[in-house]
Amino acid sequence: KNEVEQSPQNLTAQEGEFITINCSYSVGISALHWLQQHPGGGIVSLFMLSSGKKKHGRLIATINIQEKHSSLHITASHPRDSAVYICAVGSNYQLIWGAGTKLIIKP
Amino acid sequence: EPEVTQTPSHQVTQMGQEVILRCVPISNHLYFYWYRQILGQKVEFLVSFYNNEISEKSEIFDDQFSVERPDGSNFTLKIRSTKLEDSAMYFCAGGLAGRVQYNEQFFGPGTRLTVL
Repeated sequence: KNEVEQSPQNLTAQEGEFITINCSYSVGISALHWLQQHPGGGIVSLFMLSSGKKKHGRLIATINIQEKHSSLHITASHPRDSAVYICAVGSNYQLIWGAGTKLIIKP
Repeated sequence: EPEVTQTPSHQVTQMGQEVILRCVPISNHLYFYWYRQILGQKVEFLVSFYNNEISEKSEIFDDQFSVERPDGSNFTLKIRSTKLEDSAMYFCAGGLAGRVQYNEQFFGPGTRLTVL
């Protein structure tokens, strides 16, 4: 069983739509990370959270520790948001990665 | 803005050869990591490193792998005798703190290793 599960695997939407990507995990954690992987392969950290909600621009991340679930939302999506979004959970010194959600935003 | 750099961007090698992948972390970072991503698969943790010692390593990081910080700026990953299955993108990352609940990680652009 995968320790970190993301859904959906692929998501195509029209520009302007509200996007939700979900992450469920089975391990006990102290932090959850959302990262973005660009088409060229580069990885950027978007959020690190251990409770509640964080917002950065059009991105919002929430986590429910009791339910072991986190969501990443994108408001007013734009074609430049097209990327792979990855959830990873922190366990001691390592990150355990999900498989990612490939997001395509069409103009 | 400071960034993590990695060289080379692409390395092609023959099976059985040794390779060294290089990373220059952000200067005030203290904890360093190597990850790999086989094409089409998820990112996998290899090793974390602090104060010139390995903090944690995965099952992937066997005796064929080693890491060092030879001069206080470079952080290297060596694969002694490459196998076909070592072909992957290798990412270096760094952070200010070790345990990942406190630690936003900053990633390099990756080195694509192709083993023929």
